[in-house]
Amino acid sequence: QVQLVESGGGVVQPGGSLKLSCAASGFTFSGYGMHWVRQGPGKGLEWVAFIRNDESSKYYVESVKGRFTISRDKSNNTLYLQMNSLRLEDTAVYYCVKDDPVFSYWGQGTLVTVSS
Amino acid sequence: DIQMTQSPSTLSASVGDRVTITCRASQSISPWLAWYQQKPGEAPKLLIYKASSLQSGVPSRFSGSGSGTEFTLTISSLQPDDFATYYCQHYSGFPWTFGQGTKVEIK
Repeated sequence: QVQLVESGGGVVQPGGSLKLSCAASGFTFSGYGMHWVRQGPGKGLEWVAFIRNDESSKYYVESVKGRFTISRDKSNNTLYLQMNSLRLEDTAVYYCVKDDPVFSYWGQGTLVTVSS
Repeated sequence: DIQMTQSPSTLSASVGDRVTITCRASQSISPWLAWYQQKPGEAPKLLIYKASSLQSGVPSRFSGSGSGTEFTLTISSLQPDDFATYYCQHYSGFPWTFGQGTKVEIK
């Protein structure tokens, strides 16, 4: 069955960096686009980034453009999100999601806290 | 960008009630509308896709309808397990956006 397991969250100071990983299994990873979606404390869902299966296109929400980079490694079925210049408002649970194209499968999430 | 607006933001209901949540898109998105259920501390769970298709394993008391810019999620008879927050989402393409959520509370 499809499994998505995020890791890499933690506490970081404003201006710092963090790299999230999402280990995918149970499907042909190279055949699907992947998303990152986040949810701030007590807030709603916000789509963050998308990468096509062949990495030909990447898309970002305006608020993270130039700071976050989505990537993937087909050799180990892993999705990444490199987050630089982190801000207080980036504090959230970050979910990795398989593009079906509906968001059928979600990981359990990893918490990123930006705090001084 | 397509804006998704849900109403109401909060809904108080009793077990057995029929519950309806509305979602409006700022432009036509048919049929690329999904509904998700989220409980505290859990990832969202897909309920409905393509506006009215029930995801496998989801109870039949959940149904979706609508087209164009107006969509509805209906729970025909609210069960204790259904108290949660519900989100609509368009997935017609970049940028993917969610409604602000509707919290279904116990009356």
